[in-house]
Amino acid sequence: AQTVTQSQPEMSVQEAETVTLSCTYDTSENNYYLFWYKQPPSRQMILVIRQEAYKQQNATENRFSVNFQKAAKSFSLKISDSQLGDTAMYFCAFMNPSYGNNRLAFGKGNQVVVIP
Amino acid sequence: KAGVTQTPRYLIKTRGQQVTLSCSPISGHRSVSWYQQTPGQGLQFLFEYFSETQRNKGNFPGRFSGRQFSNSRSEMNVSTLELGDSALYLCASSQIANYGYTFGSGTRLTVV
Repeated sequence: AQTVTQSQPEMSVQEAETVTLSCTYDTSENNYYLFWYKQPPSRQMILVIRQEAYKQQNATENRFSVNFQKAAKSFSLKISDSQLGDTAMYFCAFMNPSYGNNRLAFGKGNQVVVIP
Repeated sequence: KAGVTQTPRYLIKTRGQQVTLSCSPISGHRSVSWYQQTPGQGLQFLFEYFSETQRNKGNFPGRFSGRQFSNSRSEMNVSTLELGDSALYLCASSQIANYGYTFGSGTRLTVV
């Protein structure tokens, strides 16, 4: 079973500053997908960004970008120009769709608090 | 476009009872998955359905079951409730799973 590890359980960042969340995973597979999800107090998990393992280029979505290091099995998320609405739990997730297995394996999450 | 709708939002049940949770996926999404979220265990996969067939099941006891209907709506059932079943149950749907799932706001189940 794949494991996903997130350290730094709680982080605070000043508004407009940058924060980076780390994630490592363990797999012997070569074809897989990685995701960052955000869960604000409303409880709904929101997809922030997605990375395909066979693509070397790091994914970006507006203020969110990742640093994907396949050999190191590392997938960090950078939030630039932090906004108050970024306050949430952030979960790193792994999917290996081989054999029709579309389950997500999640890390324990990082609480991010943006301070005005 | 309506999102993933889960009902009810909150539920309080007594030990030994059973409960049914409902999930309506985004129109056109045929894959529906369920996850349990607790402070201690985090997010754990329960099951995945596609076109009314269970494709994958997580490591949960047989008291946890689910089904999917022809309109892709899904239900999960927990029988003989235990205190440890208290959790947030999240449903997620997708058109193509590796593009990412869209989650509902969950059902908060409290077992007393």
